[in-house]
Amino acid sequence: DIVMTQSPDSLAVSLGERATINCKSSQSVFYSPFNKNSLAWYQQKPGQPPKLLIYWASARQSGVPDRFTGSGSGTDFTLTISSLQAEDVAVYYCHQHYTTPRTFGQGTRVEVK
Amino acid sequence: QVQLVQSGAEVKKPGASVKVSCKASGYTFTGYYLHWVRQAPGQGLEWMGWINPRNGDTNSAQRFQGRVTMTRDTSISTVYMELSGLTSDDTALYYCARDVYYFDLWGQGSLVTVSS
Repeated sequence: DIVMTQSPDSLAVSLGERATINCKSSQSVFYSPFNKNSLAWYQQKPGQPPKLLIYWASARQSGVPDRFTGSGSGTDFTLTISSLQAEDVAVYYCHQHYTTPRTFGQGTRVEVK
Repeated sequence: QVQLVQSGAEVKKPGASVKVSCKASGYTFTGYYLHWVRQAPGQGLEWMGWINPRNGDTNSAQRFQGRVTMTRDTSISTVYMELSGLTSDDTALYYCARDVYYFDLWGQGSLVTVSS
C-alpha cells in the first residue's frame, strides 16, 4: 500500500498570511499514460464531507479560489494557501488516486493564529 | 442537480450488520465507479472499497474483505454498502464518493453507531 504522510499535523497562520502543507508518498504516484501525478487535495470543514480542491497534483477544481495552489511531483507534494481567509479553517487531506487501495494522508488542521 | 444522497443514521449492536445506501442523481449512474470511505470520530479518511455500477464488480480493502458487501440497483441508481460483524471500532461516518480518478463528488455521509 502507498503510505501518504502529511506535515505538519496542524498549523496556525495569521489571516492574510501563507499556509503550506506537505504530503509525501511512499512511492511515486506518477501516472505515465497521462504524464500527470495522481495526487488530490481535499478540504473538510466540521460536519461536512470532504471537498475536492486540487487533482492531478496541480489542477484546481472548478469554483476553488485561486489562492489554493497544488504543486510537486513524484513523491513530494505541497498545498499552498497564499493568503489565508477565515473560511479556510479546516482539515486538509492529500489522497493518492494512482492505485488501489486508495490512501489518504492523516490530515493537517489549519487554524487562524 | 448532480448529487449523491445517502441513507440516514443507524444504531447497531455489536455483531450486527448495517446496510447504507447512496443514491446518485444528475449524471449517468453507470458511467462512474463509486467508492466507500469512512471516518471514525475525530479521525482521518479510510478507503473501504469500490463498486462498478455498470456490472457490479467490486474491490475492497484487505482489512474489510469478508465483512463488506457492495451492491447496486441500477433501476434506482443506488449503491449499497453492507458491513457485518460490527464492533465499536466500526462507529464512523460512512461516505460514498464518485470516482473520476479522484473523488469529485461526495455524499453527505451516513453515521453508523455501534453500541450495546
